[in-house]
Parts: sequence; structure tokens; C-alpha cells
Amino acid sequence: AQSVTQLDSQVPVFEEAPVELRCNYSSSVSVYLFWYVQYPNQGLQLLLKYLSGSTLVKGINGFEAEFNKSQTSFHLRKPSVHISDTAEYFCAVSGSNYQLIWGAGTKLIIKP
Amino acid sequence: NAGVTQTPKFQVLKTGQSMTLQCAQDMNHNSMYWYRQDPGMGLRLIYYSASEGTTDKGEVPNGYNVSRLNKREFSLRLESAAPSQTSVYFCASSEGAIGTEAFFGQGTRLTVV
Repeated sequence: AQSVTQLDSQVPVFEEAPVELRCNYSSSVSVYLFWYVQYPNQGLQLLLKYLSGSTLVKGINGFEAEFNKSQTSFHLRKPSVHISDTAEYFCAVSGSNYQLIWGAGTKLIIKP
Repeated sequence: NAGVTQTPKFQVLKTGQSMTLQCAQDMNHNSMYWYRQDPGMGLRLIYYSASEGTTDKGEVPNGYNVSRLNKREFSLRLESAAPSQTSVYFCASSEGAIGTEAFFGQGTRLTVV
């Protein structure tokens, strides 16, 4: 069975500092990986996705993620965060069917 | 484009009352989903509809029913609300093919007292 682990429930970081949000998955089949963002009191929207090809994926708002098959990871990074990046970030995986399996989420807290 | 529209946005129910959450999408998507979101638990799938005319149980279906009214609309019904159903409910849709993204509504915040 597939599963997704987001290792940190919340990550505090100073404004303009770099950030990495960690995501590990388990799957015995080929996977497709996603990062979604949820701003306060809103629905989720897609940040980026990995389907195939280059392991470095660029998304919206300056975020990027790297697919590492050997470590079964798909960590999200941003070189310099802004107060507007305050949100909860969800990692998800889909595999043998079209359903998404979700991580528990990581709250990004930006300190001024 | 409106995308995925959910109604209502907020609702307070008394234990034992019933209600239906409505969801409509205008993207001609095949698949639609209902999730609940609780703190620290991510999104849990309640029911989904792979295509018009089909519905299937997800991870946490107990206490809920769904109807795929047509390709656009997918409703979630609570027949007898319980405090454990206090949550934020999200409807989503997707093309239904492997690797396609899901589009979400704004959510319904439901409190059962």
C-alpha cells in the first residue's frame, strides 16, 4: 500500500531565509508526486507535480522540488521565503490508480 | 471559470439533524471526490465518483452517503449528524487519468453540537 510521510508538522523560518519541507513516500509501483498549498481558510491548490523526466521540478511562487527515487523522497524547497508563503503544504502521491494519497501536512510559519 | 463550487461555506447542526453538502464543477471533469480535513490528519477520502453514474467508498465513508447527480454535480449527505463529523469538508474534481491534478472547492466548515 502507498503512504506519504511529512516529517514535520510545522516549520518556523525567518523571512527571506531558505526553507525545505520534507516528504517521503512508500510505494512498490511507479509514482506521481504532488505538492499542494492551502492558504488560511481556502481550498488546496497545486504547487507542482512530478510525473516523469527531470527530477527537479519547478512550481509556482518560486518553489521547487526534487524527486529522489533511491531515498523515496520529494522534498519541497524555496531559496527565500516571504510572509505571503504562510500556509499549510501537503505532499501527495498517486500510483496504480488515479486516487491521491495525502500526507498530514506541514505548516510553514514565517517569522518577521 | 468558477472551477469547483461548494455550498454552504459554513453550517452548524444539532446532533441527529441531516444535511446535504452540494458541489458542482464546470471543468467537464470525469472524477469527483469528497474529503474531510481534520487537524494533523491531512485529507481523508470519504467517497469518490470515478465517472458519472458510479460512486465508491473511500477511507472514511461511515455516516455519509453521496449522489453523483450528473457529470457536474456530486453531493454529500449526512443522514444523522454526530459531533465526530465536525470537520472541514472539501469537494474536488479531476480528469480522472493517472497523474492528473485535483482541483478543490473552498470548503465547508461544519460544526455538529
